[in-house]
Amino acid sequence: AQKVTQAQTEISVVEKEDVTLDCVYETRDTTYYLFWYKQPPSGELVFLIRRNSFDEQNEISGRYSWNFQKSTSSFNFTITASQVVDSAVYFCALRVDTGRRALTFGSGTRLQVQP
Amino acid sequence: GAVVSQHPSRVICKSGTSVKIECRSLDFQATTMFWYRQFPKQSLMLMATSNEGSKATYEQGVEKDKFLINHASLTLSTLTVTSAHPEDSSFYICSARGAGGRTEQFFGPGTRLTVL
Repeated sequence: AQKVTQAQTEISVVEKEDVTLDCVYETRDTTYYLFWYKQPPSGELVFLIRRNSFDEQNEISGRYSWNFQKSTSSFNFTITASQVVDSAVYFCALRVDTGRRALTFGSGTRLQVQP
Repeated sequence: GAVVSQHPSRVICKSGTSVKIECRSLDFQATTMFWYRQFPKQSLMLMATSNEGSKATYEQGVEKDKFLINHASLTLSTLTVTSAHPEDSSFYICSARGAGGRTEQFFGPGTRLTVL
């Protein structure tokens, strides 16, 4: 079975601070995909990134960056110079290439960026 | 990316009534659709997986007689909450995946169900 742990329930920062959201996953499969989604108050999930298990390169997209480390089974997400519009719930998710191939979501981290 | 729609976006109903939620893939054929449920301030939990033309596979603890899923075409899946009760109030989100095991899933915008 798969499991995704987001230990941080809620984080509050002041605008322009950097913030890192942690994600730790568990799976016995060797081929898997990791995702981050943003869920604003409207509820619609916004896809941020997908990373496969064979690609450990870190990725940067604007103010967003991701650090994938298989050795620690972690896929952390950093927002640089946070903005009020970044306030949302962020979900880390895992999908394996066997079985139903549905996403297993972490419990989410609520990020509040104060002006 | 591909577009998935859900209808209605919001529904309020009386206890004991049935509610149907539609999930449509607008620009691709979805061989597999997933239904998730999200209670307030909680994560998304997979309810069931449906493949076009087959019976849905339900996750443990999800009553298949209460949550009827139909995936009769490659662009439409429906979830019917039968005899809804207040504890069924939740945010229901579908996702759709095209043919081929490794293709991406695309999420619908969700349906907020409130049962009075």
